[in-house]
Amino acid sequence: DGGITQSPKYLFRKEGQNVTLSCEQNLNHDAMYWYRQDPGQGLRLIYYSQIVNDFQKGDIAEGYSVSREKKESFPLTVTSAQKNPTAFYLCASSLNSNTEAFFGQGTRLTVV
Amino acid sequence: AQRVTQPEKLLSVFKGAPVELKCNYSYSGSPELFWYVQYSRQRLQLLLRHISRESIKGFTADLNKGETSFHLKKPFAQEEDSAMYYCALRRGSQGNLIFGKGTKLSVKP
Repeated sequence: DGGITQSPKYLFRKEGQNVTLSCEQNLNHDAMYWYRQDPGQGLRLIYYSQIVNDFQKGDIAEGYSVSREKKESFPLTVTSAQKNPTAFYLCASSLNSNTEAFFGQGTRLTVV
Repeated sequence: AQRVTQPEKLLSVFKGAPVELKCNYSYSGSPELFWYVQYSRQRLQLLLRHISRESIKGFTADLNKGETSFHLKKPFAQEEDSAMYYCALRRGSQGNLIFGKGTKLSVKP
């Protein structure tokens, strides 16, 4: 089954702990993205990667980190420095920077 | 500044009525615009993009550079059109998308 997979679907963490969200794609896409979706805010770009071993900050990168060691994987770490980490996180990928973006089903992170 | 504005948080219409979801953008270059849709319990998916000039599920959208708008229209709304709709702008060579805040469309029977 091809596509983009985010895991887990729901994640709970205690305040002050780092947590890593998984995003895997088997579409052979070069570009991958992380967005945060909050009610009434739409989607905001956290980080993106146009090619393996390279990534750039998006509009709201503070308190987050990523890696792109493999083409198919783009994990996002929400660090304790992120002031409001509770949100719905969406990962996306595209063949390149000019083509359609495909989205995962998202991970809902709740920090208590 | 690059920005996408969707002025309506919620749009409620009756089945069979025309629907127009508004989208305005601010972009200094040549814009590439999209509409994405998120049905209940489904992932966000592309509905249409302005460069393809196609009609998907009866929806159309025309890029109006003079008014910097890309409104989504459908002449006769169906209950299955109820969803969250996002207008998005591709950010130049970077390729990533800037999204509006979204409009929730509710089509009543």
